[in-house]
Amino acid sequence: DAEITQSPRHKITETGRQVTLACHQTWNHNNMFWYRQDLGHGLRLIHYSYGVHDTNKGEVSDGYSVSRSNTEDLPLTLESAASSQTSVYFCASSESLRQAPDTQYFGPGTRLTVL
Amino acid sequence: GEDVEQSLFLSVREGDSSVINCTYTDSSSTYLYWYKQEPGAGLQLLTYIFSNMDMKQDQRLTVLLNKKDKHLSLRIADTQTGDSAIYFCAENSGGYQKVTFGTGTKLQVIP
Repeated sequence: DAEITQSPRHKITETGRQVTLACHQTWNHNNMFWYRQDLGHGLRLIHYSYGVHDTNKGEVSDGYSVSRSNTEDLPLTLESAASSQTSVYFCASSESLRQAPDTQYFGPGTRLTVL
Repeated sequence: GEDVEQSLFLSVREGDSSVINCTYTDSSSTYLYWYKQEPGAGLQLLTYIFSNMDMKQDQRLTVLLNKKDKHLSLRIADTQTGDSAIYFCAENSGGYQKVTFGTGTKLQVIP
């Protein structure tokens, strides 16, 4: 069965370190998204991609970067982790169906703690 | 940016109806969605409504859309303990591929 996975599921790191969160989907979806979930803010979009070599900034992109070298993967990198980046991170993917609602399929999340 | 607003918390007794409300901002949204997040998991699509509809019913779920007031609601009939979760409304503002999520409403069902 097709799925979307994230790794690691839990990560503790120190301020200033570079951290990369992995996201891998086997749906063969063109669109991939990274969100962070924080109490009182819901889900906020960090970066998104509409296809290979395409990346776009979301509403909270500062301090994060992504790259899309193939259809299946969209790794999220925190260049220099800050305590404000302690959060739960979700990856999602969707097809591009112009005639239908664009359902997003979510991974299980990565809980990141920056000390 | 767009703001999709929801109340943070709702508590109901098992067997009662739950109504979760949402206000959205983009009148050009084509679809509006309800996602459910169970503890420790990612979000899953629960239902959606096309913007030219007023109501959609799917078993115990009823979605009502008031485009004039930009108000969306989700009614869960005969609420069960398994319905305890966080519910997010969302709109596809900024194009059909990009979705803006609300702040989420935590539904607690009391046995």
